[in-house]
Amino acid sequence: AQTVTQSQPEMSVQEAETVTLSCTYDTSENNYYLFWYKQPPSRQMILVIRQEAYKQQNATENRFSVNFQKAAKSFSLKISDSQLGDTAMYFCAFMKRPRQGAQKLVFGQGTRLTINP
Amino acid sequence: SAVISQKPSRDICQRGTSLTIQCQVDSQVTMMFWYRQQPGQSLTLIATANQGSEATYESGFVIDKFPISRPNLTFSTLTVSNMSPEDSSIYLCSAYTLAGEPGGQETQYFGPGTRLLVL
Repeated sequence: AQTVTQSQPEMSVQEAETVTLSCTYDTSENNYYLFWYKQPPSRQMILVIRQEAYKQQNATENRFSVNFQKAAKSFSLKISDSQLGDTAMYFCAFMKRPRQGAQKLVFGQGTRLTINP
Repeated sequence: SAVISQKPSRDICQRGTSLTIQCQVDSQVTMMFWYRQQPGQSLTLIATANQGSEATYESGFVIDKFPISRPNLTFSTLTVSNMSPEDSSIYLCSAYTLAGEPGGQETQYFGPGTRLLVL
């Protein structure tokens, strides 16, 4: 079974700073996807970024980027030039690459990120 | 990405009653999922909703408690039956898009959630 661990329950930074959220996972699979989702106080789960395990290049989406280390099973999220609207719970998630049908997401416990003005 | 809506957005219910949550996707998707998020917790999968067949439930969740319907490729419902205060949670549906579907990637997109409080 896959497990996802987020070792930082809470983090807090000043606006415009850069922050890195950690995520490690355990799997015996070789083909899979990794995700970061953001859940602001509205409770909507918003996809932040997606990484395909078979791609060596780290995914980037504007101010969001990942450091994907497959051998170490590490998948950290870097937020550059943080903004007040980045305040949210951030969940790291794992999904096996489906051979047939779909696969469930396995979530970490989340990191509560607060951006201070 | 797929756009997903849920109804109701929140509800307060009495114990022993049932609530049906609706999930609508703006495009046809192969798979839909239902998750539960208990207060202060992460998300836990309840079941996978398959169109044209019975839902597949995760360990700890049973059809009698959480019956699911999936009548077509854009819609699903989850019923929380015979509710107790322990059922107070946020219930989220998600849509799984394949490479050939709108969204274009193997990704799950989420609805806004239904916040349920059982008294």
